[in-house]
Amino acid sequence: SYVLTQPPSVSVAPGQTATITCGGNNIGTKSVHWYHQKPGQAPVLVVYDDSDRPSGIPERFSGSNSGNTATLTISRVEAGDEADYYCQVWDNISDHVLFGGGTKLTVL
Amino acid sequence: EVQLVESGGGLVQPGRSLRLSCAASGFTFDDYSMHWVRQAPGKGLEWVSDIIWNSGRIRYADSVKGRFTISRDNARNSLYLQMNSLRVEDTALYFCAKEMQGAATVRLDVWGQGTTVIVSS
Repeated sequence: SYVLTQPPSVSVAPGQTATITCGGNNIGTKSVHWYHQKPGQAPVLVVYDDSDRPSGIPERFSGSNSGNTATLTISRVEAGDEADYYCQVWDNISDHVLFGGGTKLTVL
Repeated sequence: EVQLVESGGGLVQPGRSLRLSCAASGFTFDDYSMHWVRQAPGKGLEWVSDIIWNSGRIRYADSVKGRFTISRDNARNSLYLQMNSLRVEDTALYFCAKEMQGAATVRLDVWGQGTTVIVSS
């Protein structure tokens, strides 16, 4: 079955750029979506279709996807960006929705 | 305001049943596919099931297939999850989520706050 692999944690200083990866076999052929989830809250879609942003999501959030890695990039990181981040795809082979294991972003 | 509100969670013994509900408002419910996603304590997100607008296609995660049943009532703007033969490992916060339209993939753009299910003897 298809597996999405994320690093458990990423740390970044305020004002710097955070990069969160999502690995999968030929993930570049799939559409990848990203969510953030703050403690005690529901997930929020921050990037969809690899690089599009829902309305209300700052331009600081961007995404890319190629080869075996999709990437969520958060520029000019703020304390409020501290959250768990999940990548997600739809796997056409299993016909299931799949989430990565999640990455905890810590703002130092 | 687009809103999803889950209810029906609680403490239940292993082997028993529970029915979750999700009340939708602020959008045309019967235009959209809907999903259930769960999150075990301290763990990540796990997709559970989805149902298209007219209930014509339903999918389940392997971990719940044969035990859980998703359904919807478009007249009541409501989504349901009937959970039978519950196991300790079904303990989780259960979210309902709305799917974005318009692509050959699944994107979940609106989520409820979740309802907690605890399976324990």
